[in-house]
Amino acid sequence: DAKTTQPPSMDCAEGRAANLPCNHSTISGNEYVYWYRQIHSQGPQYIIHGLKNNETNEMASLIITEDRKSSTLILPHATLRDTAVYYCIVSNAINQAGSALIFGKGTTLSVSS
Amino acid sequence: NAGVTQTPKFQVLKTGQSMTLQCAQDMNHEYMSWYRQDPGMGLRLIHYSVGAGITDQGEVPNGYNVSRSTTEDFPLRLLSAAPSQTSVYFCASSFRRGVQYNEQFFGPGTRLTVL
Repeated sequence: DAKTTQPPSMDCAEGRAANLPCNHSTISGNEYVYWYRQIHSQGPQYIIHGLKNNETNEMASLIITEDRKSSTLILPHATLRDTAVYYCIVSNAINQAGSALIFGKGTTLSVSS
Repeated sequence: NAGVTQTPKFQVLKTGQSMTLQCAQDMNHEYMSWYRQDPGMGLRLIHYSVGAGITDQGEVPNGYNVSRSTTEDFPLRLLSAAPSQTSVYFCASSFRRGVQYNEQFFGPGTRLTVL
């Protein structure tokens, strides 16, 4: 699985958009980009995933560059409850059982009022 | 639905003891897996199962056994606990939509300390 690079920490004001970047320059053609988050040592929570098109769901939007070497997770209106560690993962888990979701160190997002 | 449940929440073992971490899901998911998370690090896959009676190794399987006799349950056995197995253990499950596996749902974790 390809490696990802994320900033270790980011701050965001409550109510503003949080834009979390991720570099994955060695992503291969069959690998998807996943985002999970982990709130205060709870189990990780799925946010969104995509292959090459931009994706949106009720939690967030995922913007993937045309060359697929980087992506941005957007939380449109961050709240205090969005304070968490956010993991960007590239994996073929969607197609291949046992293709592990490799969680790195992620980005710690701190949302303040 | 209770989702993915794990017991116990906390456990302290002495070196050499054995124990079983329990994981259950009530979503009828075919795929289940076990991860460990060490302090300040990401999660690493221990074992996984694509259905009852089928298990396979992940990236860090040594010292652990699994079995999958039912769709609902996927216990993780520590054969002879070592301090290096001190970690937080997460169980996860997923289902297939067509030929693709959907996102994974994680349990709340078991915090294990081996003295």
